[in-house]
Order: sequence, then C-alpha cells, then structure tokens
Amino acid sequence: GDSVTQTEGQVALSEEDFLTIHCNYSASGYPALFWYVQYPGEGPQFLFRASRDKEKGSSRGFEATYDKGTTSFHLRKASVQESDSAVYYCALGDRGGSNAKLTFGKGTKLSVKS
Amino acid sequence: GGIITQTPKFLIGQEGQKLTLKCQQNFNHDTMYWYRQDSGKGLRLIYYSITENDLQKGDLSEGYDASREKKSSFSLTVTSAQKNEMAVFLCASSISLAGAETLYFGSGTRLTVL
Repeated sequence: GDSVTQTEGQVALSEEDFLTIHCNYSASGYPALFWYVQYPGEGPQFLFRASRDKEKGSSRGFEATYDKGTTSFHLRKASVQESDSAVYYCALGDRGGSNAKLTFGKGTKLSVKS
Repeated sequence: GGIITQTPKFLIGQEGQKLTLKCQQNFNHDTMYWYRQDSGKGLRLIYYSITENDLQKGDLSEGYDASREKKSSFSLTVTSAQKNEMAVFLCASSISLAGAETLYFGSGTRLTVL
C-alpha cells in the first residue's frame, strides 16, 4: 500500500537556523502531497499541498516542492522561530479517489530554542 | 471560518468500560472522520462518515463504534477500554470525501485507561 516516510523523531534547532524535514513517499498512483502542523494542545492544521510534479506549496515561510523523480516532498524554512516549535506531518492523498486513503507519516517534532 | 469542538478534552476510564467521545462541527461539511494518534505512529483512521447516518470503517475500527445522527455531529464509542491504553482521538471534517480535500481537525480527546 501507499506509505510516507519522514525524518524520524525530533529535530532541535536554534532561532534563525535553516530547517529541512525530509518526506519520501511510495504510491501506486499520482498522489497529492500535504504538510500539516500540530502545535501543542491543538489538532493538526493544514499547512499546504501540492498536486503535481514540480509544483511548490508554501505557507508561513515554509515551502516544499513535489518531486516525482525522487518521490519526495521535503519541508524547508530558511529561518525558524521559536513559535515554529510543533509536530509536522507529511501526508499523501489519493487525488482521484477518497480522503479515507489519506496516509500520514509518523510526524517530526521540531523544537526551536531562542 | 468554522470550528470543530471535541468533548471531553480529557477522559479517564477503567478497563472494560464503554466510553463515548463527541465531536461537533459548524463548517457544514459533509464528511467527518475519527483518527487515533499514538506517539510515534502518526494518525490512523478509525471511522468516517460521508453524510448523516452513514458510517464507514477505517483501518483501525475493531474495538470501536461510531454514530452520525446529525450532519454536524459524529461520536465515537470505545466498546471496551483496554488497560493502560493511552492515546489522543482526533475528529476531523472536510467538504467532501474527494482525495485532495483539506481536513480540519479538532483539538482532540486524550484518553487514559487505568
């Protein structure tokens, strides 16, 4: 079945550091790709999506580019802030099908210290 | 904008107990979901519903029942709580079941079974 593999566990950075969280996927079709962010005590929030090869999604200074060749959708931010501390989920959706097949990665916890 | 309200925020139960979690949304969305979130395991789909009175099983439905008596509400029942179980249950909604739609999440119910 479809699967998502993202940077495992925790990432610890200082303010103004560059962030990369890796996300690779395996899918039988041509999926839509998502990033969701979950702040402490809240549910996940949609960050952005991309639906086709080479499409860039972006929001709040975060960005990721859909790369069908390397089956990747890595999350990047040039300069992180303490307020970016959260858990980030990469997800894979079935564009022509059902949201019930939305597959989430295990999540990556970002901790940013000032 | 809308909001998803989950009650209760914290739920403590005893082994073998039947426990009910509630979710209300005011987005007027057709589709609602229940996910289970365990540390290090991502989000796993328990049940979903595409309209009032519809119920569909997800990958993790064993041990759970669900009910969608109104478009705006979706409840989940743990039929027999397992000792030492700890997890967060997240309710979500989307405009439709289409595969690239954004999910909107509530802030979760944290379950502890003694």
